[in-house]
Amino acid sequence: GQNIDQPTEMTATEGAIVQINCTYQTSGFNGLFWYQQHAGEAPTFLSYNVLDGLEEKGRFSSFLSRSKGYSYLLLKELQMKDSASYLCAVRPYKAAGNKLTFGGGTRVLVKP
Amino acid sequence: NAGVTQTPKFRVLKTGQSMTLLCAQDMNHEYMYWYRQDPGMGLRLIHYSVGEGTTAKGEVPDGYNVSRLKKQNFLLGLESAAPSQTSVYFCASSPLGQGYNEQFFGPGTRLTVL
Repeated sequence: GQNIDQPTEMTATEGAIVQINCTYQTSGFNGLFWYQQHAGEAPTFLSYNVLDGLEEKGRFSSFLSRSKGYSYLLLKELQMKDSASYLCAVRPYKAAGNKLTFGGGTRVLVKP
Repeated sequence: NAGVTQTPKFRVLKTGQSMTLLCAQDMNHEYMYWYRQDPGMGLRLIHYSVGEGTTAKGEVPDGYNVSRLKKQNFLLGLESAAPSQTSVYFCASSPLGQGYNEQFFGPGTRLTVL
């Protein structure tokens, strides 16, 4: 099975950088996803990592270390609209139907 | 394209009542999923489908049934609702194959069971 841990809540200031960590234990691994979810809305896809290293997409970057079972999502130049929950999800190796297992989510509050 | 849509958006039930949540997608995706989301517990998979006419149990299937008679629709049924089923329900869909294939989510259904 999978066990995914991420902090419950983080607070940061507008314009700053925040790093959201995600650790996982899984019997097999075939990709890690990050989703953003604003309050009362659906999750939306942010990033995908399957190989070790950093993937950059504008202000957002995601890092993966498979040997350590560790990923982080880096949010740069924080804006008020970045206040949301960020969900880490792991896809096991050969998961039927591309199933994902989600962590509990990290709520990020951006203050002026 | 509407993407993934869910009906209804809100519903209040009394204990023991039944209801069906409808999910529809217009992206021709093979895979569809039903999740529930409770505070502090993230998304938990209830049931999923790998194609028309197929269904399989997820992490928390008890108390729910599903059907996928048409590729574009995935129905979630509660036969006898319980207060523990008060939650936000999300449907999602995904294209066939591994790799860079994310799940697309519907707007959610907020269900309260009294």
